[in-house]
Amino acid sequence: AQTVTQSQPEMSVQEAETVTLSCTYDTSESDYYLFWYKQPPSRQMILVIRQEAYKQQNATENRFSVNFQKAAKSFSLKISDSQLGDAAMYFCAYRRSFGNEKLTFGTGTRLTIIP
Amino acid sequence: DAGVTQSPTHLIKTRGQQVTLRCSPKSGHDTVSWYQQALGQGPQFIFQYYEEEERQRGNFPDRFSGHQFPNYSSELNVNALLLGDSALYLCASTATGAGNTIYFGEGSWLTVV
Repeated sequence: AQTVTQSQPEMSVQEAETVTLSCTYDTSESDYYLFWYKQPPSRQMILVIRQEAYKQQNATENRFSVNFQKAAKSFSLKISDSQLGDAAMYFCAYRRSFGNEKLTFGTGTRLTIIP
Repeated sequence: DAGVTQSPTHLIKTRGQQVTLRCSPKSGHDTVSWYQQALGQGPQFIFQYYEEEERQRGNFPDRFSGHQFPNYSSELNVNALLLGDSALYLCASTATGAGNTIYFGEGSWLTVV
């Protein structure tokens, strides 16, 4: 069974600074997807960024980028130029690559932005 | 284009009662999944519906059941409610096909007293 681990329950960062959230996962599959979802107080899960395991290039979406280390089964999220609106719970998630597979989530990291 | 919509937003039930939660998927999506998110935890997969059939199921008891209608909307039913069923229930939809993005609704907050 696949597992996703987020070892940082809480993180904080000064506004405009950079922060990195960590995620490790365990799987025997070679092809899969990894995601970072943001959950603000409204509780809706919002996709931040996704990474296909077969791609060596790290995904980037504006201020958000990932460091994907397939051999180490590590998938960290870097948020640059942190903004107050980035404050939320961040969940790392895994999904097998074929069919309509379910998402397996980590336990989340609460990110606080300090003005 | 409406996203994933869920109802009700909040509800309170008594232990032993039954509850039905509803979900309308994003336009163009035919696959609906349900997740349970307990306070302070990540979402846990309950089950998935496609073509009006349950296709995958997580580690949840038979008290949790569902249905998908021809218009792709879905219901989650929970019987014999326990205090431990108190959680945020998230509906997610996607179009069939590997790699398609999964979209979530805002959830239904269930409190069992």
